[in-house]
Amino acid sequence: AQSVAQPEDQVNVAEGNPLTVKCTYSVSGNPYLFWYVQYPNRGLQFLLKYITGDNLVKGSYGFEAEFNKSQTSFHLKKPSALVSDSALYFCAVRETGRGSTLGRLYFGRGTQLTVWP
Amino acid sequence: DADVTQTPRNRITKTGKRIMLECSQTKGHDRMYWYRQDPGLGLRLIYYSFDVKDINKGEISDGYSVSRQAQAKFSLSLESAIPNQTALYFCATSERIAATGELFFGEGSRLTVL
Repeated sequence: AQSVAQPEDQVNVAEGNPLTVKCTYSVSGNPYLFWYVQYPNRGLQFLLKYITGDNLVKGSYGFEAEFNKSQTSFHLKKPSALVSDSALYFCAVRETGRGSTLGRLYFGRGTQLTVWP
Repeated sequence: DADVTQTPRNRITKTGKRIMLECSQTKGHDRMYWYRQDPGLGLRLIYYSFDVKDINKGEISDGYSVSRQAQAKFSLSLESAIPNQTALYFCATSERIAATGELFFGEGSRLTVL
């Protein structure tokens, strides 16, 4: 079965410092991996995705994520955090392969990122 | 205007009442979804539809029903609301093409059942 784990409920960093939001996954085939962000009172917004190719994926707002197949991880990173990055971040996985035409995403529980001035 | 529009944005109702949440989209996507968000639980899939004639149950469909009135419209109904259905509900859409899988979300409908 597919699953996603975000081991940290909260991440707190100072503005200007690098940030990492962790995500590990479990799928039986090759994964499609996603990060979404949710600002207060808003819907989820797509940040970036890994389908295939380069393990380092660049996305919106200066975020990037590194796919590590051996560790089944897809951690979200940013070199220099901004106060405006404070939001709820969700990792998601979609299984690929035969029989996987569903397109359903499995979401983690979310990590609240707080960037303090 | 938003690509995925949900109405109402907020609703307070009483136990036993029938509630309908509506979703419309201008993205031209075939696939539409209803998710529920609860604090600490992430998003859970209630129902999804791949086209007007295709409706499927998700993880937590009990107590809910849906209707796909047109390609652009997908409504979620609670026939007899109960307090543990208090949550934030999201509609989402995606393209048919399997290579993407990216979801586009509405702003959410906050439902409170007293």
